[in-house]
Amino acid sequence: DADVTQTPRNRITKTGKRIMLECSQTKGHDRMYWYRQDPGLGLRLIYYSFDVKDINKGEISDGYSVSRQAQAKFSLSLESAIPNQTALYFCATSDPTEGPYEQYFGPGTRLTVT
Amino acid sequence: AQSVTQLDSQVPVFEEAPVELRCNYSSSVSVYLFWYVQYPNQGLQLLLKYLSGSTLVESINGFEAEFNKSQTSFHLRKPSVHISDTAEYFCAVSSAYNNNDMRFGAGTRLTVKP
Repeated sequence: DADVTQTPRNRITKTGKRIMLECSQTKGHDRMYWYRQDPGLGLRLIYYSFDVKDINKGEISDGYSVSRQAQAKFSLSLESAIPNQTALYFCATSDPTEGPYEQYFGPGTRLTVT
Repeated sequence: AQSVTQLDSQVPVFEEAPVELRCNYSSSVSVYLFWYVQYPNQGLQLLLKYLSGSTLVESINGFEAEFNKSQTSFHLRKPSVHISDTAEYFCAVSSAYNNNDMRFGAGTRLTVKP
């Protein structure tokens, strides 16, 4: 089984809808991240979390919110989706005591906002 | 903050030819450098990393990268590529003091042709 899983893998939604992307991990890592990937732009950090009580904004947090329900679960929400949020979204985890600064990525969620 | 420039968006090569994927970074502090690979429909996987010590780092599948501080570069090379190396490659940089802000390049799509 994969260490980092994301659901759904693909989602099409309409402008203005609320949507949640979920991430679960079995690696036991405290740190979790949400990125979006756009062609020609690489990955950009949306939010990251050090533990359940520690949530931090990344480079492009506007229009997004997150929830860390447990050490293993980190959800990303779009309160009112807009077309320019169409992208590939990745969740990642890391443990600085284990191979410093390496991040482990999930398979991604492809989100299309029409 | 750190930044990364990948100089080539696409690199087509023939099988068994050598390849170099170029990466330059910008930072005012010491950095850690990474190459990640993304195979079709998958998340990113760490290929190799430079943290300290020897400036030449190698991966298990024949890739190598050399940290050049004076030229602020971390180019990825392989002397002989295989069809299975076809993927997108991302260079990433983080501060040696704060890994929470890892910046990724836009990616280089390597296509190996028979």
